[in-house]
Amino acid sequence: DADVTQTPRNRITKTGKRIMLECSQTKGHDRMYWYRQDPGLGLRLIYYSFDVKDINKGEISDGYSVSRQAQAKFSLSLESAIPNQTALYFCATSDSPGLYTDTQYFGPGTRLTVL
Amino acid sequence: QKEVEQNSGPLSVPEGAIASLNCTYSDRGSQSFFWYRQYSGKSPELIMSIYSNGDKEDGRFTAQLNKASQYVSLLIRDSQPSDSATYLCAVNIDNTDKLIFGTGTRLQVFP
Repeated sequence: DADVTQTPRNRITKTGKRIMLECSQTKGHDRMYWYRQDPGLGLRLIYYSFDVKDINKGEISDGYSVSRQAQAKFSLSLESAIPNQTALYFCATSDSPGLYTDTQYFGPGTRLTVL
Repeated sequence: QKEVEQNSGPLSVPEGAIASLNCTYSDRGSQSFFWYRQYSGKSPELIMSIYSNGDKEDGRFTAQLNKASQYVSLLIRDSQPSDSATYLCAVNIDNTDKLIFGTGTRLQVFP
C-alpha cells in the first residue's frame, strides 16, 4: 500500500461548490503539507502543519482552508471553488527534522478541474 | 521574495551522455537542498538530498553544492531514455523546514 494517499484522484466541479481533498499517510510523520502545481509555476505551498495542533499558511492560502484531523490525516477545502483553482494538488509529509530539513514525500496527486 | 531558479529546458541529450541540470537560489541561509524527479502527471520523487558543499554521488547521479555561489547542480551519467522527466530543485527557506521549489527542467534523453 502507498505510504501517502490522496482522495479523490480526479475531480471535476462547478464554480461556487465546496470541495474537500483528503490526504492520509502511514509513514508516521508529524509534518504534512498541501501544494498546488500549475504549468510553468511549479509547486507552491498552500498550507502546512508541523503537528496536529499547528497549522500554518503557506505562499497561496487565500481561498483555501485545512483541517488536521489526526497525525495521519490532513484535509484541504475549497469553500467556494473558482476556475483559477484548477490545478494538480499534492499532499506531502516529512519527519521532524534533525540538523537539516527532512525529505518531503509526496502523494499521487489530485487533479481538480473547476468549470 | 525567496526564489529558486531553473532553466525550463528542454535539455536534450543522447543516450549514454551526461546530463547537467542547474539551479540557483536566493536565500543565503538555506541549508538543505533536494532534487526531485517528476514524470508527466505523476508526483515528485526524491533523487538526492545534499547539505554540505561539494559533491555527493549515488549511482549514476551526482549532486553538487556551492553555497558561496548559491547554486546546486545534478549530473546524470550514462543517461537513459527512462531518465526523461522534469527535474525539480527544492531548497529550504527562512531557516525553516519549508521548501521552495523551482519550476523544473525538462530533460529529454533520445536513443
